[in-house]
Amino acid sequence: GAVVSQHPSRVICKSGTSVKIECRSLDFQATTMFWYRQFPKKSLMLMATSNEGSKATYEQGVEKDKFLINHASLTLSTLTVTSAHPEDSSFYICSAAGLADLAKNIQYFGAGTRLSVL
Amino acid sequence: AQSVTQLDSHVSVSEGTPVLLRCNYSSSYSPSLFWYVQHPNKGLQLLLKYTSAATLVKGINGFEAEFKKSETSFHLTKPSAHMSDAAEYFCVVSGLLGGSQGNLIFGKGTKLSVKP
Repeated sequence: GAVVSQHPSRVICKSGTSVKIECRSLDFQATTMFWYRQFPKKSLMLMATSNEGSKATYEQGVEKDKFLINHASLTLSTLTVTSAHPEDSSFYICSAAGLADLAKNIQYFGAGTRLSVL
Repeated sequence: AQSVTQLDSHVSVSEGTPVLLRCNYSSSYSPSLFWYVQHPNKGLQLLLKYTSAATLVKGINGFEAEFKKSETSFHLTKPSAHMSDAAEYFCVVSGLLGGSQGNLIFGKGTKLSVKP
């Protein structure tokens, strides 16, 4: 099946620094990638949707200047948490889908990134 | 608007006994429904999906779910739990039926524990 690789799996950073998380589709072309945030004991909340070569579409309440998303190729999307603060500590998960997958509402998920901001 | 409610945050069963994870949904039209499983330090894996074909859907690892429109439910079951089934399970509804965005709406998850 389709494989999505997310890196790093865990990152600890100081408050005020920026952190970049990568999401790669290893064996398929991902025309669309999604970024989710998962709080403890809560469901995944969609942050933004990105289509290759286009600007990301952010969900209501998500600061686009805080969470920069780049989807420059069909196999790579990045999420940069800028000037991270402790409240940004969370579990971030990406998913990817090709055109045919989207038509069937199928997404393939990465393993997630645990961000801890000190 | 679509939403999904997982009725139990934690379910504990003994190995070899049946598993029932409950899910109710709300949708203004016939939705696509999914169950995903999340093992520690691993990505979400699709267990099964319902897309308006057969109401009883069979998935991987012996899991199945039944779509009941009258009860707006999509409960996940397995006849006999295995230790390897211990994980977090998410019931998911599609935000747009066949929409290009493929938006998914997640329940809060049910943690399944399996006792030896």
